Amino acid sequence: EPEVTQTPSHQVTQMGQEVILRCVPISNHLYFYWYRQILGQKVEFLVSFYNNEISEKSEIFDDQFSVERPDGSNFTLKIRSTKLEDSAMYFCASSEGWAGPGEQFFGPGTRLTVL
Amino acid sequence: QKEVEQNSGPLSVPEGAIASLNCTYSDRGSQSFFWYRQYSGKSPELIMFIYSNGDKEDGRFTAQLNKASQYVSLLIRDSQPSDSATYLCAVFGDTGRRALTFGSGTRLQVQP
Repeated sequence: EPEVTQTPSHQVTQMGQEVILRCVPISNHLYFYWYRQILGQKVEFLVSFYNNEISEKSEIFDDQFSVERPDGSNFTLKIRSTKLEDSAMYFCASSEGWAGPGEQFFGPGTRLTVL
Repeated sequence: QKEVEQNSGPLSVPEGAIASLNCTYSDRGSQSFFWYRQYSGKSPELIMFIYSNGDKEDGRFTAQLNKASQYVSLLIRDSQPSDSATYLCAVFGDTGRRALTFGSGTRLQVQP
């Protein structure tokens, strides 16, 4: 069964460093998303991406964040200068189409630890 | 501010019983409703979705939606210890918006 994959599974970085989290969405899906979950808290939407551009973003997704689809399979989230409060699980998700209920399927996540 | 509210639990049920999980939402424009299961340290796993009033059944799971009351529920029949997890309710907002708004989840414990 097709699935969303993410690398790395765990990333440790120093405050102020740049990190890139990588995702490979399900191959026939057209819509891609990033969510995050701080330990013990809700899953929060960050950004959605369609047709090589951002469709929506939350107030969390400030200028420190960017997304890119550098090739036909990868979807990346970059955090330019990490802060302690960026420590969280980051989930990539994808969905097939815009119409209809639009089920989103989640990858296994990247645990980001900022020291 | 769009909110999705769930009782955090834990909800404890004996093996073989019916588990009933509830969720309320604040945005009357919400279109679609999703139930995800999340094991500790893992990602959300889609169980089922519903977008019409009434019941929708899939195996041991039944989702119920009442848009007038802004209420959605998930019933798990014949609960198994492997069902022990946190169940997340997620809501799609207005038509055209793709961001899911999640509740904080209800922790379910199925006692053998």
